[in-house]
Parts: sequence; structure tokens; C-alpha cells
Amino acid sequence: DAKTTQPNSMESNEEEPVHLPCNHSTISGTDYIHWYRQLPSQGPEYVIHGLTSNVNNRMASLAIAEDRKSSTLILHRATLRDAAVYYCILTNNNAGNMLTFGGGTRLMVKP
Amino acid sequence: DGGITQSPKYLFRKEGQNVTLSCEQNLNHDAMYWYRQDPGQGLRLIYYSQIVNDFQKGDIAEGYSVSREKKESFPLTVTSAQKNPTAFYLCASSISTGKLAFFGQGTRLTVV
Repeated sequence: DAKTTQPNSMESNEEEPVHLPCNHSTISGTDYIHWYRQLPSQGPEYVIHGLTSNVNNRMASLAIAEDRKSSTLILHRATLRDAAVYYCILTNNNAGNMLTFGGGTRLMVKP
Repeated sequence: DGGITQSPKYLFRKEGQNVTLSCEQNLNHDAMYWYRQDPGQGLRLIYYSQIVNDFQKGDIAEGYSVSREKKESFPLTVTSAQKNPTAFYLCASSISTGKLAFFGQGTRLTVV
């Protein structure tokens, strides 16, 4: 299974943009890049996903490198409620493909 | 409201007792999963089911058992054979494996 590498932790100031990086150098052509986040004592929730093109939704933006070996989750204005662990995951449509979670990046937001 | 429900939120058991964690979904999803999370760690896959009456072991299945008799339900039993059962357990479902997953709020199991 393709693996992802993320920094253990990052810090941000409130109302500033946050760029969360993810490396996935062994990504295959059919792998989608998914981002989930987990608030304290809760289950993970879906944030965004993409294949090749950059994606935007109400929560965040996803910037995917041209060679697809890395991606960046962008929170345009961090709030205290964005403090969470962010997981970058690769998945594809093959039967039996699982969501494999690494350690993720713990985002701390300072007021 | 559609969603995935785990119960109870907190569970205490004595060492040596089996305990069953409930997971129900009304999203009409075929795939369901159980993950375990230890403090400060990521999620590890225990078991998954791609369809009713079928399930497969994940990375850390030893000491756990599951059943999938109904599409909506995927209970997890933590047996006395699980050496270190105290953890946060998360259930998830998706239309099929590899697709967008929805998670429950988790059950925090403490074995004393």
C-alpha cells in the first residue's frame, strides 16, 4: 500500500492561513488523496479529496503537486475549532482497499 | 438523520470479561470497519466487512471477533484473549471499500 508522510505537529495563529503538507512519493495513478481530521475525543471526519486537480470546498482547499508525489491541505483562516489531528490518506477503488491511517499532523491554533 | 451510531460512549469492564461494542448505520453502506486508537496514536484497523455475512481481519485482529448478520450492524466483541483492551474504538462505514468513510463518535473502553 502507498504510504504518506506528514509532520508530527504544526502551529498556527488564529485567523492566519495554514498549509499542512503530505508526501506520497509512491502514489499510483489510480490513488485518490483523502484528508480527514479528528477533533479531540471524536471520530475522524472527512475534509476533502482529489485525484489530480486542485480542489476547493467550504472547509478547505487541496493543492496537488503536478507529479502527485505531494499535496497540501490549506485552511484559509484557522480558527480555534480547527485544532485537530489531520490525516492524509491514499485510497483507490480496488475492492478491499482500506483506509490506512498514519500518525497524522497535530495542528495547534494559538489565539 | 442518517449516520453511524456507536454505543455506549464509555464502557468499563473487569479483566477477563468479554465485551461487545455496538455499531449501527442507516446510510445503506455495504462496507463497515472497526479501528482501534491508543493515546497519541493513529487508527489501526481491526476488522472490516465489505458486504453482509462477510468480514476480513485487519492489521490487529487477534483477541477480537465480529459478525455482520445485517447490513446495518457490525458489532465488535473484545474477548479476554486481547492482552491490552483499554483503548478508543471507532467504527466507520462507506459505500464500498476505499470510498469516503463516515465515522461514529467512538467508544472508550476501559478494562480494570
